[in-house]
Amino acid sequence: EDQVTQSPEALRLQEGESSSLNCSYTVSGLRGLFWYRQDPGKGPEFLFTLYSAGEEKEKERLKATLTKKESFLHITAPKPEDSATYLCAVRGGGSEKLVFGKGTKLTVNP
Amino acid sequence: DGGITQSPKYLFRKEGQNVTLSCEQNLNHDAMYWYRQDPGQGLRLIYYSQIVNDFQKGDIAEGYSVSREKKESFPLTVTSAQKNPTAFYLCASSPGLGGKLFFGSGTQLSVL
Repeated sequence: EDQVTQSPEALRLQEGESSSLNCSYTVSGLRGLFWYRQDPGKGPEFLFTLYSAGEEKEKERLKATLTKKESFLHITAPKPEDSATYLCAVRGGGSEKLVFGKGTKLTVNP
Repeated sequence: DGGITQSPKYLFRKEGQNVTLSCEQNLNHDAMYWYRQDPGQGLRLIYYSQIVNDFQKGDIAEGYSVSREKKESFPLTVTSAQKNPTAFYLCASSPGLGGKLFFGSGTQLSVL
């Protein structure tokens, strides 16, 4: 069974304080790892898809990386508007469905 | 603009009542999904559909029903058999199964 574990559950940063969020996964044959951002009371917004170990993608202050067991979402010099819950999801080779982690709630204080 | 529209934003259900959540997309996507989100929990798949007039149960289908009569529409009915319906419901679509999901803005369902 495909599984996704995100850590930490919650993270508080000061504006400008860089950090990383972790997504550990267990799947048989990864066919895609997805990162989403979700603001309170809204639907998740797509950020990145990663397919193979060593792949990296960037968007503004966010950079996602992938190894064979985990993915990291690096946040460089965060701003208060980066505050949100970040969700990780995987699609395994034997499934048509995505499996989501519980998310990391990020708060960036000014 | 293309996107997914969910309505209503908030919905209240009385005991014994069935309620229907609307989901419409104009992205011309084949696949559509319904997820349930509870505080502190990951998104859990209720039902999904790859094509018109066909749908499959997800991980927590009991107490829910769906229909897919049009490509653009995938309504979810929360029946009286669902004893714990209070949650945030998200509709999503993708060009094909298992791909990048596009989400609607969600419906918060509460029990009166």
